[in-house]
Formats: sequence, structure tokens, C-alpha cells
Amino acid sequence: GESVGLHLPTLSVQEGDNSIINCAYSNSASDYFIWYKQESGKGPQFIIDIRSNMDKRQGQRVTVLLNKTVKHLSLQIAATQPGDSAVYFCAETLNQAGTALIFGKGTTLSVSS
Amino acid sequence: GAVVSQHPSRVICKSGTSVKIECRSLDFQATTMFWYRQFPKQSLMLMATSNEGSKATYEQGVEKDKFLINHASLTLSTLTVTSAHPEDSSFYICSAARDRDTDTQYFGPGTRLTVL
Repeated sequence: GESVGLHLPTLSVQEGDNSIINCAYSNSASDYFIWYKQESGKGPQFIIDIRSNMDKRQGQRVTVLLNKTVKHLSLQIAATQPGDSAVYFCAETLNQAGTALIFGKGTTLSVSS
Repeated sequence: GAVVSQHPSRVICKSGTSVKIECRSLDFQATTMFWYRQFPKQSLMLMATSNEGSKATYEQGVEKDKFLINHASLTLSTLTVTSAHPEDSSFYICSAARDRDTDTQYFGPGTRLTVL
């Protein structure tokens, strides 16, 4: 699989590989983090979230890791499939009603068969 | 559940005209809605936060007189781009926070605005 220590705008992997997408967030007070997938011409689609009292959360084929010490978030996709090709964004916010999301820079994931 | 729609999905207009974009929460009440703008190959940038029955809160650098936001009901917020110019061409996306949820936001499919 491919891993990226720092944020990179693009990531190319082979089908079946594991993908790791990184994100640095900006606000140390943020306590809720979300990963979104965005396909061309569409709105963001929720993938997985994590709260600041956790450092790891797993979903179906996806895992999010949170390192509050260095304000770093990562998304791991297991057995990447061509349908995973999209732009992935992390977002941060405060766990309060009516608080907007702050989006990070996206990473374009390309999966080849 | 938790579906957000936007209308229109795509609009082309002439420079100087105004365009209205609707954002609706179809199966839930949304006390708060958010409007984002996304330029090609860039991230989503928050434009404003819209609260039902009160004035919207705009982010720094977003002209409130140019981007009029109305949140008249718990299921509808509208964004009107007034006197549109080519530089306003962008992908406009709304999201809605379900009443009683503190953090979950549901995104609409976006509206592609092209100003000629």
C-alpha cells in the first residue's frame, strides 16, 4: 500500500492496495473531525468521523486515526477499489450546534485496475 | 433519511443578472444551514451560516449585499447571487444541520453556476 507522511494533493494506487490519506488540521480547539469523499460534480459524501476523545475509529474498509499532539488526521482505506477514486477532504469543527465545518485541502485518489 | 436537495443543479446566466439557489432539507428540520463555495480543484470554503428566522452570518471577505441569504423556514434556505459576474462562477454547496444534532451536517448535491 501507499502511505503519505505529509499531505499530498494526489495519490495513485493499484486496485487492492491499502491507501492512506493524511490531513493536518488547524484549530487545536476542534473536537470533531470528519472525512468526506467528493466525486466530480457532486456534493461531499460522509465517510467516517471521530471525536477528540478517541484516537482511532474503524468503519467498513476505512479507519480514521487522530493524533491531537501534532494535529494530524489520517484516513486509511483497505483493499482500495476503482470506485474509491475521488477527492477526499478532512473537515474539523467544534462539537457545538450550529458550528460550521472547516475543510482541509483535498487529496485526489486515483485507483487503477 | 437526512436528504438535502439543491435547485437548480446547474445554471448559466448572463453577467449582471441575479441567480437564486435553493437548499432544502427534505425529511428533517434544519435550524442551521451553511453555504459553501468551491472553485475548481480547490476545497470547500464557507461563505455564510444561515439560521432560521435570523440574519445570516457571513465569513470575512464574503459580501453580504452580493450574496443574499434567506432562511425563512426550517426546511429552506436560499442564496441569491446578485449582479453576477464571471468571477462568481463556481460550485455552490449547502449543508444542513439537523435540529437537535450538535454536529452532523448533511450536504446537498451542489449547484454549478456559470456566469457568461
